[in-house]
Amino acid sequence: KAGVTQTPRYLIKTRGQQVTLSCSPISGHRSVSWYQQTPGQGLQFLFEYFSETQRNKGNFPGRFSGRQFSNSRSEMNVSTLELGDSALYLCASSFGRGHMTNEKLFFGSGTQLSVL
Amino acid sequence: GNSVTQMEGPVTLSEEAFLTINCTYTATGYPSLFWYVQYPGEGLQLLLKATKADDKGSNKGFEATYRKETTSFHLEKGSVQVSDSAVYFCALSEDSNYQLIWGAGTKLIIKP
Repeated sequence: KAGVTQTPRYLIKTRGQQVTLSCSPISGHRSVSWYQQTPGQGLQFLFEYFSETQRNKGNFPGRFSGRQFSNSRSEMNVSTLELGDSALYLCASSFGRGHMTNEKLFFGSGTQLSVL
Repeated sequence: GNSVTQMEGPVTLSEEAFLTINCTYTATGYPSLFWYVQYPGEGLQLLLKATKADDKGSNKGFEATYRKETTSFHLEKGSVQVSDSAVYFCALSEDSNYQLIWGAGTKLIIKP
């Protein structure tokens, strides 16, 4: 069974641009969540989508947005990029929501975004 | 609010040494606790978890016990290998919130 696929693997953008990252969950998984990983802040939760609806959102500005399609694939968009947005963006999928007893998250390898 | 505190790294050990990575948490309710591992160039993988007090999670020789009285979930392994070199993250999740709160990560370096 294929794992969680994130594209692209690397991105280089300049300040003020916008970027879209893609995440294809494991087949059959309905929940996709996004995390930002930086050396200074560590891992921080961005948002979670389930059945095409955003169910939970972390403490990030409105420049960060996302969506989920009917096939559970998800995209994350960052507009008006800032230098501080440089990070590894990780996507994770699970069948249901959250960390119920029999659930676990499966992570992709991430998209490394560099803002110059 | 909820938070997770891990010991700072890097932690450098020789092969076959005993490993402990400390993790303590602050939570308002009764969270589930997790250890994730990130090998170089790879995404995060769930290593083990515990969902209630006194539970012990174990996997690949690693163990961690959910200690409510000390709000801790320390990761241990009796004999580490070079292949255990990675970054280890402690995390918590409250079912009411459906999101993970992460520790800063601890880089582990095992020398042959």
